[in-house]
Amino acid sequence: EDKVVQSPLSLVVHEGDTVTLNCSYEVTNFRSLLWYKQEKKAPTFLFMLTSSGIEKKSGRLSSILDKKELFSILNITATQTGDSAVYLCAVYSPWRYGGSQGNLIFGKGTKLSVKP
Amino acid sequence: KAGVTQTPRYLIKTRGQQVTLSCSPISGHRSVSWYQQTPGQGLQFLFEYFSETQRNKGNFPGRFSGRQFSNSRSEMNVSTLELGDSALYLCASSQGQGKSEAFFGQGTRLTVV
Repeated sequence: EDKVVQSPLSLVVHEGDTVTLNCSYEVTNFRSLLWYKQEKKAPTFLFMLTSSGIEKKSGRLSSILDKKELFSILNITATQTGDSAVYLCAVYSPWRYGGSQGNLIFGKGTKLSVKP
Repeated sequence: KAGVTQTPRYLIKTRGQQVTLSCSPISGHRSVSWYQQTPGQGLQFLFEYFSETQRNKGNFPGRFSGRQFSNSRSEMNVSTLELGDSALYLCASSQGQGKSEAFFGQGTRLTVV
């Protein structure tokens, strides 16, 4: 069965710290890797990565993919209390039929707590 | 462009009852996936629909069923509710056809008492 593993599962930091969240995967027919942020309810889309070595950046958040080593990292610099959330990594593997996993395979998430 | 709409937002049911949840995807999106989320379990995949066809189904008992209509709206049904079915149920819509960006609805919080 394909899998996505995130580490650490939880992390507590102080405002201003820089954090790195990890996501490794073993997925057949990899197409892309996605990061989501989940605060209270719905996960919100952050990034989609398809090519190795190309950094995606949005404000203090950035992410990069290594398709050779099968992992991605999400960096958050100068953390703020509003960054406290669960960060989900998912790998998209299209054209699956009749299986018990969908096309989007999620890791269990990293719970980030940012203390003032 | 309207986002993914799930109804109802909150639901309280008693054991043994059945429930139907609804998901309206983003206009133009033909793929809808359903997930169950409980504390400590992450997102558990339930079903995936594309153009009214169920493409994949997660490892859930037969009490969990779903369908998709011609307008891409989807429903999921849980019969004979158990206490363990209490969870946040999320649906995600995407264009399908190899396009991966998926957007989530706000979820339905189901409590079984």
